[in-house]
Amino acid sequence: SAVISQKPSRDICQRGTSLTIQCQVDSQVTMMFWYRQQPGQSLTLIATANQGSEATYESGFVIDKFPISRPNLTFSTLTVSNMSPEDSSIYLCSVLAGVNGDEQFFGPGTRLTVL
Amino acid sequence: GEDVEQSLFLSVREGDSSVINCTYTDSSSTYLYWYKQEPGAGLQLLTYIFSNMDMKQDQRLTVLLNKKDKHLSLRIADTQTGDSAIYFCAEKRPGYALNFGKGTSLLVTP
Repeated sequence: SAVISQKPSRDICQRGTSLTIQCQVDSQVTMMFWYRQQPGQSLTLIATANQGSEATYESGFVIDKFPISRPNLTFSTLTVSNMSPEDSSIYLCSVLAGVNGDEQFFGPGTRLTVL
Repeated sequence: GEDVEQSLFLSVREGDSSVINCTYTDSSSTYLYWYKQEPGAGLQLLTYIFSNMDMKQDQRLTVLLNKKDKHLSLRIADTQTGDSAIYFCAEKRPGYALNFGKGTSLLVTP
C-alpha cells in the first residue's frame, strides 16, 4: 500500500486569497491525482499530475485556477487560486500503487473553508 | 458523463449483514472498487475486484460482480457500529480515472 500525507489538514481562508496544498507519498509513484469532494457530494477528479510534464485537467478545471506542481515522484502540490466560497471543499490527493498498480489510495484530505 | 448509481442510505442492526448495491456505467471497466469514508476522514480502500472475477471474499467483506447487468455489491457480515460510514463504489474505465458513485451512508444501530 501507499501512505499519503497532506498539509494542511484544514484551513479557513478569505475570499480572493490562494492556498497551496501539499501531498507527500511514502514511495515513488508515477501517477498522482487531485480530487475535490464538495459538501455531501462524491469525488470529482480535478487533474492528473505526472512528473516531468504539465498536469492534465478535467473538464471544468483550468490551470490558472488550480495550478499543480509535481517536482518528483513522491510529492505534489495543488494551489487553489483566487478563492471564493464555492471552492469550500475537501481536496484529496490520490496515487496508484500496489503490486500491479491496481490499487488507488487516497490521502486524508484537506478541508478548506472559504469565507 | 454517466453516473455510477448507489442508494443513498442503508440502516441495519448490529450483528446483521449489510448489502450495499452499485450499478456502474461501463462494461469495459477493468476494476471495481469499494471505499469507506468515516466522518471527517479521507477515503479508505476496502477492497476491489478485477472484472474477470465474479466474487471476492476478504474476511467480513464479500464483493459480488455481475458484469452482464453492470451490478456490484458489497456485503458486510456481522455488521458492527464501527462500520457506520459512507461507502463509495467506483469503476476504473480504460484510459480514465476512477468514476465514483455518490456514496451510501450506512447506519448501524445497536
